[in-house]
Parts: sequence; structure tokens; C-alpha cells
Amino acid sequence: LAKTTQPISMDSYEGQEVNITCSHNNIATNDYITWYQQFPSQGPRFIIQGYKTKVTNEVASLFIPADRKSSTLSLPRVSLSDTAVYYCLVGLSGGYNKLIFGAGTRLAVHP
Amino acid sequence: GAGVSQTPSNKVTEKGKYVELRCDPISGHTALYWYRQSLGQGPEFLIYFQGTGAADDSGLPNDRFFAVRPEGSVSTLKIQRTERGDSAVYLCASSPGGGDTTRGAFFGQGTRLTVV
Repeated sequence: LAKTTQPISMDSYEGQEVNITCSHNNIATNDYITWYQQFPSQGPRFIIQGYKTKVTNEVASLFIPADRKSSTLSLPRVSLSDTAVYYCLVGLSGGYNKLIFGAGTRLAVHP
Repeated sequence: GAGVSQTPSNKVTEKGKYVELRCDPISGHTALYWYRQSLGQGPEFLIYFQGTGAADDSGLPNDRFFAVRPEGSVSTLKIQRTERGDSAVYLCASSPGGGDTTRGAFFGQGTRLTVV
């Protein structure tokens, strides 16, 4: 399973765009990139998943370059409620996906 | 209920005791995962069920930990002879058939286990 590397923490302010980059140099051909969000005292929540180029949903955008060795989660115009830990995972989409979590990125949004 | 339900939400037990943690997955989800999470760390994989069988139990730390899912829905994580180091939040997640996580796995709120 490909290992991922993310910044331990980030700070931002309300209304700003936040970009969190994840490195996954050993990503396999069949692997997808998935991001989860976790608030204190709650389980992780799926945000977005992609394979290549760009994926956008109502919550975030995911940018994946052609070599797929990294990915960037983009949160537009963050609010205080976006303060959470964000995890980048790499693995299969269909079939069995072991969902290996790293330490994640702790995002703090300030007023 | 609509989501993954875990009971109890909190459990305090004495060292050496036996505990059971219950997970009710989303109806129709055949894949079920157990994780544990210590403060400040990401969730640590324990075991994965596909239907009734444990397809991957490589994350169980030792033979004191055991999990079952006899009818392919509710799962129970069992910990024997608890130790203080077992204190953590135990998370359960489920996803649709085949382990497909195209829309992600759905996590419960977790059970906070404290061994004193």
C-alpha cells in the first residue's frame, strides 16, 4: 500500500482558500486518492475521491497531476467549521480497500 | 438508523476485564471495518469483514482481540484481559458490497474505551 505524506498542521483565516498537498510517490496504477475529514469526537467523513486530473464536488476540489505522485485538496472560502483533521488515503476504489490512515493534517481556521 | 451506530459510546473497565463493543452498520453494507484511534493519531486499521467472514485481520494487535459478524450485519469487537494500553476510541465503518469505497466508507461516532 502506498504511503502518504502530509503537513502535520496548517493555519488559515475565514474566507480564504486552503490547499493541502499530499505526497504519494509509490502510488500504484489502480490506486485512487481519497480524502477524509474528521472533527473532534466524531468518526472520519468522506470528502472526495479522484484518480487523475481534477474532481470537484459541493465541498472541495481535488487536483491530481499527470504523474499522480501527489494530490492537492482545495477548500474554497473556509469557515470556522472547517477546522478539522484532513486525511489523504491511497488505495483501490472498487474491491477491498484497506483504508490506511496516516497522521493527517490538522487545519485550524481563525476568525 | 441512517448511519453506523456504535454502542456503548463510552466504556470504562478495570484492567484485566473482558469487554465487547458493538457496531450496527448501514443496512445493506456488506463491508465492515474496525479501527482504533489514540489521541492525536490517525485511525489504526484492526480488521475488515466482507459479509460474515474476516477478510483481513492483520491489524489485530494480539490474540486478546477478536471480532465477529455472525449474520453479516452487526459486528462485535471483543477484548479479553484488557490492559491500560487498550484505552482508545474504537471506530467502526461500513461500505457497500465488495468493499467499494467510491463514495467512501461511513464511520460511526466510535466507542471511547478507558481501562483503569
